[in-house]
Amino acid sequence: DAGVTQSPTHLIKTRGQQVTLRCSPKSGHDTVSWYQQALGQGPQFIFQYYEEEERQRGNFPDRFSGHQFPNYSSELNVNALLLGDSALYLCASSFDEGNIQYFGAGTRLSVL
Amino acid sequence: AQKVTQAQTEISVVEKEDVTLDCVYETRDTTYYLFWYKQPPSGELVFLIRRNSFDEQNEISGRYSWNFQKSTSSFNFTITASQVVDSAVYFCALSEARNYGQNFVFGPGTRLSVLP
Repeated sequence: DAGVTQSPTHLIKTRGQQVTLRCSPKSGHDTVSWYQQALGQGPQFIFQYYEEEERQRGNFPDRFSGHQFPNYSSELNVNALLLGDSALYLCASSFDEGNIQYFGAGTRLSVL
Repeated sequence: AQKVTQAQTEISVVEKEDVTLDCVYETRDTTYYLFWYKQPPSGELVFLIRRNSFDEQNEISGRYSWNFQKSTSSFNFTITASQVVDSAVYFCALSEARNYGQNFVFGPGTRLSVLP
């Protein structure tokens, strides 16, 4: 049973560019959440997708957007990249409320 | 607002010592969930335990144990007879039922180094 998978593993972009990160949830999970983890800090909640809709959103600007597909996989898009967007982006999947979130290994984004 | 505090930024112990990682949380909800995750150098967050706000029983799993005290809003994690493989960053997290229990607020983490 595959866990949560994310691609790519690493990404280097320049300021102003746009980036798309991808996530496949654990089998049987219908909810996908995205987190940003800056170096030396805890993960910060970006948003969560359930039934192909954004259900909750953290304190992130509209430059951060996402999508969930019918197979529950998800994408995170970041437009107009800033240096401060450099971080590890983690995807987590779960099912049902209050349930355990299982995390992928993340995508490390560097913005130069 | 929800908040998680992990006052210990870094801890170093020698192998076989016991170590306790502290976690203090804030929430206005009466129904909430608490978690501990381990993050090894590979980066992937590994689930360790979940507790809901109605279950204050302490739990032991092998060398790991957790002490949940609502009276002090604490959810502390103890590793008994630590091993080098326990070296990692440990995060405590909180989610509130009004957010479907899935909007996790993480603490800043405690970096544990277990020396041989």
